[in-house]
Amino acid sequence: GIQVEQSPPDLILQEGANSTLRCNFSDSVNNLQWFHQNPWGQLINLFYIPSGTKQNGRLSATTVATERYSLLYISSSQTTDSGVYFCAVVGRSGSRLTFGEGTQLTVNP
Amino acid sequence: DTAVSQTPKYLVTQMGNDKSIKCEQNLGHDTMYWYKQDSKKFLKIMFSYNNKELIINETVPNRFSPKSPDKAHLNLHINSLELGDSAVYFCATTRFGNTGELFFGEGSRLTVL
Repeated sequence: GIQVEQSPPDLILQEGANSTLRCNFSDSVNNLQWFHQNPWGQLINLFYIPSGTKQNGRLSATTVATERYSLLYISSSQTTDSGVYFCAVVGRSGSRLTFGEGTQLTVNP
Repeated sequence: DTAVSQTPKYLVTQMGNDKSIKCEQNLGHDTMYWYKQDSKKFLKIMFSYNNKELIINETVPNRFSPKSPDKAHLNLHINSLELGDSAVYFCATTRFGNTGELFFGEGSRLTVL
């Protein structure tokens, strides 16, 4: 099945800093999503982005499907951005969403 | 209204017991899933139902039995609970199949003592 690798595994920032999270995948994809799991455990949809670029406030994402990676940008980070960020993909011949292991983000005040 | 709701949110029980977790969605989606998140935060699919029909059944012990009484509901029954079943179980939905956007419920934290 498709492999999904996220980096870095852990990231610690000061409030106000910018960051880039990366998701590499091993095959062409039909579906790619970014999720944020907040400290209370809720899984929140950030982007549905199998290709192209999207922006939502301080967050933006870019997927370069031909090069098999996606990037999540967080600008002017806030403490409420803390949590785990997951990338999940469905491969071209796949039947289910496969999750990466996540990036644990901590934003300190 | 919560789009995907699960009950109970928390469940603490003894080894050997049988328990159920219920999921309901009001999005009108055709496909529903159960995911398990272990203590290392890894998310793994367990089951998928499309319009009440079982589509995906991962390598899950047969003590776990999903049931979809209608398109809006997917329940998970677990028999003879074991310590290793302790995890957070998430219900999720997509409009149709695996190419649509996935929406999660709030999760049900199961602790087996």
